[in-house]
Amino acid sequence: NAGVTQTPKFRVLKTGQSMTLLCAQDMNHEYMYWYRQDPGMGLRLIHYSVGEGTTAKGEVPDGYNVSRLKKQNFLLGLESAAPSQTSVYFCASRSTGEAEKLFFGSGTQLSVL
Amino acid sequence: GQQVMQIPQYQHVQEGEDFTTYCNSSTTLSNIQWYKQRPGGHPVFLIQLVKSGEVKKQKRLTFQFGEAKKNSSLHITATQTTDVGTYFCAGPGYGQNFVFGPGTRLSVLP
Repeated sequence: NAGVTQTPKFRVLKTGQSMTLLCAQDMNHEYMYWYRQDPGMGLRLIHYSVGEGTTAKGEVPDGYNVSRLKKQNFLLGLESAAPSQTSVYFCASRSTGEAEKLFFGSGTQLSVL
Repeated sequence: GQQVMQIPQYQHVQEGEDFTTYCNSSTTLSNIQWYKQRPGGHPVFLIQLVKSGEVKKQKRLTFQFGEAKKNSSLHITATQTTDVGTYFCAGPGYGQNFVFGPGTRLSVLP
């Protein structure tokens, strides 16, 4: 059982380039999230999805787009990367039941030069 | 909007000393969760507290949820080097989201 898998693990972009981060979960969770983590600022929500075909903006959505075409996959896109998007990106899915806990992927370290 | 704060931001302790981190929300929470992130790793769920005044223990870790359900604490007794990492609290936000505190980074000196 792989849980939540993110690819790639590392990426370096030049300003203006585009890329897509892939998140896949095998736990049949409805809810999925994309966070970015910057030093001293904890985890900030970029976009989230409450089910296949749905997406919604989080706290810091500007400069990012997402898609949830399949329940198990949640893609995060950067159309024109900026140095301010240098960060560590985490995908998470959420279980339901007694404890609605988040399961995180291993993260993507993105540097924009 | 809802804010979740944590203190201290950093804590350095000698191995064997106790450690406590505090979490405060600007709004009443239906529940609060705690996560641990090891250096270079990803956040891992530790526990969820739901009831006012609730206290839960996991070995050397003791979690408390305040009576007013706006604050929480995590206490580690007799820290070990394996406790090193950043501890985050998180509460339900708008929609189906969680709002995370900025975290407390714990260093344990052997």
